[in-house]
Amino acid sequence: KAGVTQTPRYLIKTRGQQVTLSCSPISGHRSVSWYQQTPGQGLQFLFEYFSETQRNKGNFPGRFSGRQFSNSRSEMNVSTLELGDSALYLCASSLVPGFNEQFFGPGTRLTVL
Amino acid sequence: DQQVKQNSPSLSVQEGRISILNCDYTNSMFDYFLWYKKYPAEGPTFLISISSIKDKNEDGRFTVFLNKSAKHLSLHIVPSQPGDSAVYFCAASAGNNAGNMLTFGGGTRLMVKP
Repeated sequence: KAGVTQTPRYLIKTRGQQVTLSCSPISGHRSVSWYQQTPGQGLQFLFEYFSETQRNKGNFPGRFSGRQFSNSRSEMNVSTLELGDSALYLCASSLVPGFNEQFFGPGTRLTVL
Repeated sequence: DQQVKQNSPSLSVQEGRISILNCDYTNSMFDYFLWYKKYPAEGPTFLISISSIKDKNEDGRFTVFLNKSAKHLSLHIVPSQPGDSAVYFCAASAGNNAGNMLTFGGGTRLMVKP
């Protein structure tokens, strides 16, 4: 069974630009969560999607948004990029939300110059 | 306000000995706890979890202990192997409405020396 895939793996953008990251969950998994990892703040929850609906959202500004498609694939978008948005963005999937093991993808490394 | 803390940024252990990684939390609403292992350039890998109705869960060489009154959990790895060298994160979840929203600690880098 293929794992969680994230594209692209690496990305370089400049301040003010916008970026879209993609996540394909494990086949059959319907819940997708996004996390941001930075050296200063660690791993922080961004948002969670299930059945194309956002279930939970972390404490991030409105510049961070996401969506989920009917095939459970998910995208997240960051608009008006800031230097502080440089981070590893991780996607995780599980069968359904709740007390289930979440499987993480390898992440997308975003660098904002 | 860090709700989940791993106070030891690093830990060095000899191969074959026990590794004990600790984690403290402050939010009383947390009722499900997980440990993840992370290698560089990879996403975290699930290791073991425990519900707040239990105080111990074992899976092979890995055992997690939960002390709810102290708001403390620990991961024991016995015996430690060089392949266990990685960064370990504890994470917590608060109830069914939290879904898959996890609050992570800052991580502990474990080095197992041959």
